[in-house]
Formats: sequence, C-alpha cells, structure tokens
Amino acid sequence: DTEVTQTPKHLVMGMTNKKSLKCEQHMGHRAMYWYKQKAKKPPELMFVYSYEKLSINESVPSRFSPECPNSSLLNLHLHALQPEDSALYLCASSQADPDTQYFGPGTRLTVL
Amino acid sequence: AQSVTQLGSHVSVSEGALVLLRCNYSSSVPPYLFWYVQYPNQGLQLLLKYTSAATLVKGINGFEAEFKKSETSFHLTKPSAHMSDAAEYFCAVTQNNAGNMLTFGGGTRLMVKP
Repeated sequence: DTEVTQTPKHLVMGMTNKKSLKCEQHMGHRAMYWYKQKAKKPPELMFVYSYEKLSINESVPSRFSPECPNSSLLNLHLHALQPEDSALYLCASSQADPDTQYFGPGTRLTVL
Repeated sequence: AQSVTQLGSHVSVSEGALVLLRCNYSSSVPPYLFWYVQYPNQGLQLLLKYTSAATLVKGINGFEAEFKKSETSFHLTKPSAHMSDAAEYFCAVTQNNAGNMLTFGGGTRLMVKP
C-alpha cells in the first residue's frame, strides 16, 4: 500500500482565519514533506520532516507552521494567509533519503 | 547541485502515436531519477524511477524511460498514446547527499488528439 491521505480536499478561508491541513501515511515512512503547487507549475518544497524532526524549511513565511505529532501524521497550520497563498498543497512521504516520494491527493486551498 | 530541464512545456500527439517526453538533468553525483504524472486536480503519481540498476526502466501504464549518462537524459516514452494519457508529466531528480531534496523539472503537458 502506497497511500498518503490528505484532509480536507478543499478549503476556503478568510485572511483572519486559522485552519489546519492534515496528512497521514501508514507505510512506516520516516520522512514527510509539504509542497505548495501553483497552477501550471511544479511543486515547490516547503518543509521536510525526518524522523519527526524538522530538517528542511525552505524559507517559508511564519504564517505556515508545520507539525509532526508522530511518525504517521503531518499537519500544516495556517494563520493570517494572503490571497497569493491560494494553491494546491501536497503532502508526500518516503522511506529514507534518497528514496521515492509518494504523494497524497492534495488540498486545494483558496484564501479570500 | 542538481537541476532538471524538460524540453517542451506542451506536447501534442495523436491517439496511437509514439509519446516522447524529454528530460535532461544535471547532478554532481550519480542521480536518482523519477517520472511523475499528475491528472487535473490530483496529486502526483509515480510512473517509474531509476536508482542505478537497469538503465531501461519500465513503469506503469506502458511507459518506460532510458537513463543515458553520456547524454544526461532520462526521456519518457510510450509506444502508443491513449486518450487517458493526457496529463501533466514531471521529471525529478535527487541524489545521495541531497537531504531528501527532490528537484522537479518545469513539467510537460501531454495532449492526445483523437
């Protein structure tokens, strides 16, 4: 099973809202990732967690706050977002480094 | 440093025709190479990967890719296009010292004409 699940599928939020995106995998993978993808562009890496520790933060604004409560779960907390943050947010996981990354279906975020 | 270039942001083929999507990479060490497909409003699905074993890699849905070190290429092919192959295709590279960093090419939109 190579499934990564993400909830919600769609999210609409105002600029003053606080919301969270959730990602889950049960493949025993030890690395988990958040990507942001704008229309007609490749995914851009935001954060990497390796063994539940944040290992890479690609200079992402503090209005995005990742959290890895355990080895199967990855959250992305959102606060005070801007309309330009509207995008498809993808979660991925991999067994190790380097290794194949398996992607979830994404959360389509719209910021009004 | 690693980078990926996909030649042709749009490729159009007729149904039943050969599909050829081009990918060139640069890497300072032996690379790991991947092709992903993305259907509209979906995540990325792994098509195939090269990890220093056989240079000709077979993937899902009839796709294959050949690793050519001398040309630093990893082109994706399929002998006969199907309407369901219409999607966005991404080539990506990583390497042993990349710290989980996957570098993507700009993507190629494949259109299949009936």
